[in-house]
Amino acid sequence: KAGVTQTPRYLIKTRGQQVTLSCSPISGHRSVSWYQQTPGQGLQFLFEYFSETQRNKGNFPGRFSGRQFSNSRSEMNVSTLELGDSALYLCASSPDRGSTDTQYFGPGTRLTVL
Amino acid sequence: SQQGEEDPQALSIQEGENATMNCSYKTSINNLQWYRQNSGRGLVHLILIRSNEREKHSGRLRVTLDTSKKSSSLLITASRAADTASYFCATDLGGANNLFFGTGTRLTVIP
Repeated sequence: KAGVTQTPRYLIKTRGQQVTLSCSPISGHRSVSWYQQTPGQGLQFLFEYFSETQRNKGNFPGRFSGRQFSNSRSEMNVSTLELGDSALYLCASSPDRGSTDTQYFGPGTRLTVL
Repeated sequence: SQQGEEDPQALSIQEGENATMNCSYKTSINNLQWYRQNSGRGLVHLILIRSNEREKHSGRLRVTLDTSKKSSSLLITASRAADTASYFCATDLGGANNLFFGTGTRLTVIP
């Protein structure tokens, strides 16, 4: 099976712009989670989608949003970008909701905000 | 804020030596997982240990879990240069697919 794919891999934006990142989970996986990784804050959970519904949300402002499509692909959007949004954004998929499922991570999208 | 803290923050060893990393966490967990990350890339799942397990092995990896002390350790035996990476513990509090990651240990294996 193909792994989790994320596009684009690298992105440069300026403050105030918005950005959309895409994640395609492993075939058959229905849960997609998003994480932000920065040197200062480490890896932090953004949100989880399952069956096109946001099931869980981390402690991030409303500028961060996402959605999931019927084929389980997910997008996350960040509006009104700030310098502090520069980070590696990782998505992870798992077969189902459930705490014993391993999450499989994609390679990430490196976002730089200038 | 992060759920876990890892110790040490950085570790440098010679090839062939063993590497031990420790993880402490704050709340009750359903399971604890260890991940590896190479130089700002995606995370690779290494091993999952459930809260009712005390020890688990996978190849050269050995993980222990002490829920009374809220701590876990990852042992990599006979290290190789290819093991050079950052290692993260992640706790699953149960019921949802969101993991709480530790601060990570940067391991360097010198050939």
